[in-house]
Amino acid sequence: QQQVRQSPQSLTVWEGETAILNCSYENSAFDYFPWYQQFPGEGPALLIAIRSVSDKKEDGRFTIFFNKREKKLSLHITDSQPGDSATYFCAARGQGTGSKLSFGKGAKLTVSP
Amino acid sequence: NAGVIQTPRHKVTGKGQEATLWCEPISGHSAVFWYRQTIVQGLEFLTYFRNQAPIDDSGMPKERFSAQMPNQSHSTLKIQSTQPQDSAVYLCASSLQGGSNERLFFGHGTKLSVL
Repeated sequence: QQQVRQSPQSLTVWEGETAILNCSYENSAFDYFPWYQQFPGEGPALLIAIRSVSDKKEDGRFTIFFNKREKKLSLHITDSQPGDSATYFCAARGQGTGSKLSFGKGAKLTVSP
Repeated sequence: NAGVIQTPRHKVTGKGQEATLWCEPISGHSAVFWYRQTIVQGLEFLTYFRNQAPIDDSGMPKERFSAQMPNQSHSTLKIQSTQPQDSAVYLCASSLQGGSNERLFFGHGTKLSVL
């Protein structure tokens, strides 16, 4: 059973546009939500993360919006650049899950110049 | 700091052969995680060690898969009698202490191809 779901699976935007990647989860015990970025041939790397006590986390052009009631979050990438082209994974972890991260299936973002 | 090192980068095995994948965590990190990545399933958790002790192996297939961490500087994932469905990228990650909000540092992965 997929505990973390992502949509869309792939997204193409033009350079300078805002890309929006969505994520939802099932387990109410999840309280930490990182997003990982992966380039081809590399392992995922932490991009930005939010805890459930917050509804927004911003880091430069990357912002997470979090809705605890609806169990949804989204990653907004403003002023998208070709270098942002990568696969983005939403993940979730709860205090009681032994520090195991559950990942979504990923969303492939392509930014066209 | 070289990051998490995984060897080999690519491994090709014939059906029924054994495959051993190696991981060297970041020095000073006491938690090591193994994940499997496929297009269809995405990133699947396999197993997790803290201070070399197995903590959670709930994602490990019960047959043919085993993982060990004989010392703090390396972990191995062994797959016996490999099958084509085992073909995937196997990712190792480490974190400082395995805390719930800690960042995972991933290696580049080992791409396993079972012919």
